[in-house]
Amino acid sequence: DAKTTQPTSMDCAEGRAANLPCNHSTISGNEYVYWYRQIHSQGPQYIIHGLKNNETNEMASLIITEDRKSSTLILPHATLRDTAVYYCIVRVRRSQGNLIFGKGTKLSVKP
Amino acid sequence: DTAVSQTPKYLVTQMGNDKSIKCEQNLGHDTMYWYKQDSKKFLKIMFSYNNKELIINETVPNRFSPKSPDKAHLNLHINSLELGDSAVYFCASSRLGGGDTEAFFGQGTRLTVV
Repeated sequence: DAKTTQPTSMDCAEGRAANLPCNHSTISGNEYVYWYRQIHSQGPQYIIHGLKNNETNEMASLIITEDRKSSTLILPHATLRDTAVYYCIVRVRRSQGNLIFGKGTKLSVKP
Repeated sequence: DTAVSQTPKYLVTQMGNDKSIKCEQNLGHDTMYWYKQDSKKFLKIMFSYNNKELIINETVPNRFSPKSPDKAHLNLHINSLELGDSAVYFCASSRLGGGDTEAFFGQGTRLTVV
């Protein structure tokens, strides 16, 4: 079972920031938080990951609370192409590190 | 160049047939995976494999078997196909390691069993 909790769906206006929350209250100290998204009919796409520090890349920012029990993915300027299901995943730290997907958040970016 | 490629993209077949889905990655990764996404859109791991270890999700029927001719390929063989096997199957790859490795996914193979 997934170790994360996310809202089922969210809406965001085009051009505005999309803030997607995730709860992972049982996260262990050596587990990473990963975000992936799946645009309709495509394979999941990696977005960003972090351990305890905030992270930023060309796609998004990841804010992890100090206690690591929750995080927020931020898409700074959402576009219509960002409409997708966003998955927050706590990565099990095994040698082959399977990704365990939950139900994710369906983000709809509206004009 | 496509990082992880799967063929075919669509596969329609009759119950009882045996079929294969091919997967190739050109990223030099050590580990490859197969995931199944059912009609309710849940993504579930089926197998993970590197040259040392095959990990099988215990819920996967033994009609499903991964075959790896080399490090860049992990094909999925399915025997005696059933209606419930209809789904989208995704191949993925990553570097061997702990939690700090991202996975790259193929575009999926939509299998329809009739």
